[in-house]
Amino acid sequence: DTGVSQDPRHKITKRGQNVTFRCDPISEHNRLYWYRQTLGQGPEFLTYFQNEAQLEKSRLLSDRFSAERPKGSFSTLEIQRTEQGDSAMYLCASIQTRNTGELFFGEGSRLTVL
Amino acid sequence: GNSVTQMEGPVTLSEEAFLTINCTYTATGYPSLFWYVQYPGEGLQLLLKATKADDKGSNKGFEATYRKETTSFHLEKGSVQVSDSAVYFCALSLFQGAQKLVFGQGTRLTINP
Repeated sequence: DTGVSQDPRHKITKRGQNVTFRCDPISEHNRLYWYRQTLGQGPEFLTYFQNEAQLEKSRLLSDRFSAERPKGSFSTLEIQRTEQGDSAMYLCASIQTRNTGELFFGEGSRLTVL
Repeated sequence: GNSVTQMEGPVTLSEEAFLTINCTYTATGYPSLFWYVQYPGEGLQLLLKATKADDKGSNKGFEATYRKETTSFHLEKGSVQVSDSAVYFCALSLFQGAQKLVFGQGTRLTINP
């Protein structure tokens, strides 16, 4: 069990470009969450998956954002036509809902939009 | 709505000092409460939790008691160490377990030797 893995750890892009982040959850964790954390703030919920189904999306997630979890394993978060306001740390977390256990977080992917 | 308010940081203490980080919440239901810690260069980790009123969560010398009457979940430690330097987040969840968390803004703690 290697924990939740996120890639890339840091992405610098120009405004208007598309970026994609990948999250590999802990194996056998059926639920996967994406959060966004801006500087000096706590993480904010974006969306979550139960296996491959996306069950909820926050109003923070504009139409430029899309997330997938094909086959219920890894997940991707894509941001199209990035804006400077998208600069943030994107956190992924996973949990096995059979247990009332802990939500495990990855180290995050930091996005800087120039 | 649901929200969490933490005391403003940063907080700087000397080693072996007593620590309190205040946390209050507003919730539409009966939440579970959590403290997460983020050490430099690492992901968020669960520090402790409490799921009902008057429960006390504890771990690594840290404690927090779920106070429904004051809607608070203050974090305390009797004697801090340099290794406790980190950012601490208070959070709530209205779902089973630590899911769809609502976080406070975080409090950066620095312990000087």
